[in-house]
Amino acid sequence: AQSVTQLDSQVPVFEEAPVELRCNYSSSVSVYLFWYVQYPNQGLQLLLKYLSGSTLVKGINGFEAEFNKSQTSFHLRKPSVHISDTAEYFCAVSDTGRRALTFGSGTRLQVQP
Amino acid sequence: SAVISQKPSRDICQRGTSLTIQCQVDSQVTMMFWYRQQPGQSLTLIATANQGSEATYESGFVIDKFPISRPNLTFSTLTVSNMSPEDSSIYLCSGRGTATGETQYFGPGTRLLVL
Repeated sequence: AQSVTQLDSQVPVFEEAPVELRCNYSSSVSVYLFWYVQYPNQGLQLLLKYLSGSTLVKGINGFEAEFNKSQTSFHLRKPSVHISDTAEYFCAVSDTGRRALTFGSGTRLQVQP
Repeated sequence: SAVISQKPSRDICQRGTSLTIQCQVDSQVTMMFWYRQQPGQSLTLIATANQGSEATYESGFVIDKFPISRPNLTFSTLTVSNMSPEDSSIYLCSGRGTATGETQYFGPGTRLLVL
């Protein structure tokens, strides 16, 4: 079984500042890693994913994440945030055997002007 | 990618009644899942919908309360039975398979309020 920890429940940041949303996972087997974004009153949208290969993954809207196997982390970063990035961000993990995603508790990114 | 639709998008129901949520995927997916997102919370897996056989339920969820059907590779239903106010949540359908590049895509969710 896998588990995901998102240490920060809320991250306030000023517009145009950089941001990092932290995600750590636990698993005894190889995993796939994902970040999803949920805007208010909307469904989940995939930001980026790590399946294999390069540990630095680039996604939509200028976000990127780095898979660190030794630290079992998959932190999400953006060099300059916009007001429109205000949303809930979920880190998720699944094993490579086609089981369902396990989600972290979510991080609320609040971008202030 | 995959486009997933759900019906209804939202509903208000009386306690003791049942609601069936439909999920349609625009491409064949190997796996389909149902999640619950309680207000202000993360997503919790209810069950994996298996084509042509009984769904596989996670701990804390039972078939009598959440019967699931999956008659083919692109369609599934979730019924929330004998509802109580504690069932008020967003219910999300999800699909994954080789057609989606092993990425799990989500429907827009069904917002359920039980009075």
